[in-house]
Amino acid sequence: DTAVSQTPKYLVTQMGNDKSIKCEQNLGHDTMYWYKQDSKKFLKIMFSYNNKELIINETVPNRFSPKSPDKAHLNLHINSLELGDSAVYFCASSQDRLAGGPEDTQYFGPGTRLTVL
Amino acid sequence: GESVGLHLPTLSVQEGDNSIINCAYSNSASDYFIWYKQESGKGPQFIIDIRSNMDKRQGQRVTVLLNKTVKHLSLQIAATQPGDSAVYFCAENNGSGYNFNKFYFGSGTKLNVKP
Repeated sequence: DTAVSQTPKYLVTQMGNDKSIKCEQNLGHDTMYWYKQDSKKFLKIMFSYNNKELIINETVPNRFSPKSPDKAHLNLHINSLELGDSAVYFCASSQDRLAGGPEDTQYFGPGTRLTVL
Repeated sequence: GESVGLHLPTLSVQEGDNSIINCAYSNSASDYFIWYKQESGKGPQFIIDIRSNMDKRQGQRVTVLLNKTVKHLSLQIAATQPGDSAVYFCAENNGSGYNFNKFYFGSGTKLNVKP
């Protein structure tokens, strides 16, 4: 059973288009994230949602708009795609950090490789 | 596959040898650290974690060492196997305020295991 799933796995599109990536987690976690991984493998957080509310927004262009219809889903919509948006995008989820809790780690999806031509 | 122009630090070890992957973190207030393994074409996977009230934690074939004085974290893999070949990331978190779920990832180290 897939814990964190993303669709699509690959996305190739032209500059200027609008596209969405979907993410779902079946772990019952309260918090979900979007990360961007560049060609040098550097992994940077973009957004975090806790119980459908935005809690982290890391200086990401407003062309990127996350949407959380419920706490099991966090979708990423990107408007007016640019060449520099080409990257692998990872969704992740976790429980809220608990003092001394064993389940603080984040579980990552398989990634969506976005190529903007 | 790998991207052209990748400049990850790379560690090459012989199968059966022990591997040590190092990570320097920046925030002295960080109190929770995780090591992740990322295989080609997959998302990062949890390996082991450690809290700042500990300096060593052991898992199956892996050990994490934390030196808060010099803000250094290491991952030791015993009897390295070809399946250990991957990129390894450390991540830090300081668990305060709105950043309680925010992890900062290191730049990654690529481990190549030679058969």
